[in-house]
Amino acid sequence: GENVEQHPSTLSVQEGDSAVIKCTYSDSASNYFPWYKQELGKGPQLIIDIRSNVGEKKDQRIAVTLNKTAKHFSLHITETQPEDSAVYFCAASIRGFGNEKLTFGTGTRLTIIP
Amino acid sequence: EPEVTQTPSHQVTQMGQEVILRCVPISNHLYFYWYRQILGQKVEFLVSFYNNEISEKSEIFDDQFSVERPDGSNFTLKIRSTKLEDSAMYFCASSVSSWTGDLFGQGTRLTVV
Repeated sequence: GENVEQHPSTLSVQEGDSAVIKCTYSDSASNYFPWYKQELGKGPQLIIDIRSNVGEKKDQRIAVTLNKTAKHFSLHITETQPEDSAVYFCAASIRGFGNEKLTFGTGTRLTIIP
Repeated sequence: EPEVTQTPSHQVTQMGQEVILRCVPISNHLYFYWYRQILGQKVEFLVSFYNNEISEKSEIFDDQFSVERPDGSNFTLKIRSTKLEDSAMYFCASSVSSWTGDLFGQGTRLTVV
């Protein structure tokens, strides 16, 4: 089955700097890669996703890049703000064939230092 | 903005008791999921549900677990005889299609004592 690894497990950055979180996946059939933000005591919140036919996607300060050959994808947050502090999870899934489950990475605790 | 609603937010139960966790997915969504997260760990898939039947289940989802969509709006997870190791946060999620994002509820914290 799919295995998703995520690094780093913790990340501290100065407010205003950029943060990068990286994930690798094992199943080359995976074709959908969402990123979730989880604040304390809350459910995962979808922040951005990318399909395998796209190499990069951007939404304001957040961007995701995908390298299918290397089987890795990354989340980039620019101009970080204190409210970006949370745990971020990457996930991978095979979509469109009836097998829709998400396999999550182990999470990155991002702390923005004011 | 529509959201996935889960009740209760916290449930404490005695080992061996049955529990039912309830979810109201977003109304036009067609794919439904249950996930769980043991404290401090990653989110794990339990079961997916589409077209009124289970489409996939994980090894965790054994005979003690069952899901139902009894009335077209609620989506429930039942654990027949809870064990201590079932203590976790349980999340319901739904999506309108394969290619749209899965939206998660706020979760039910289940504590088995």
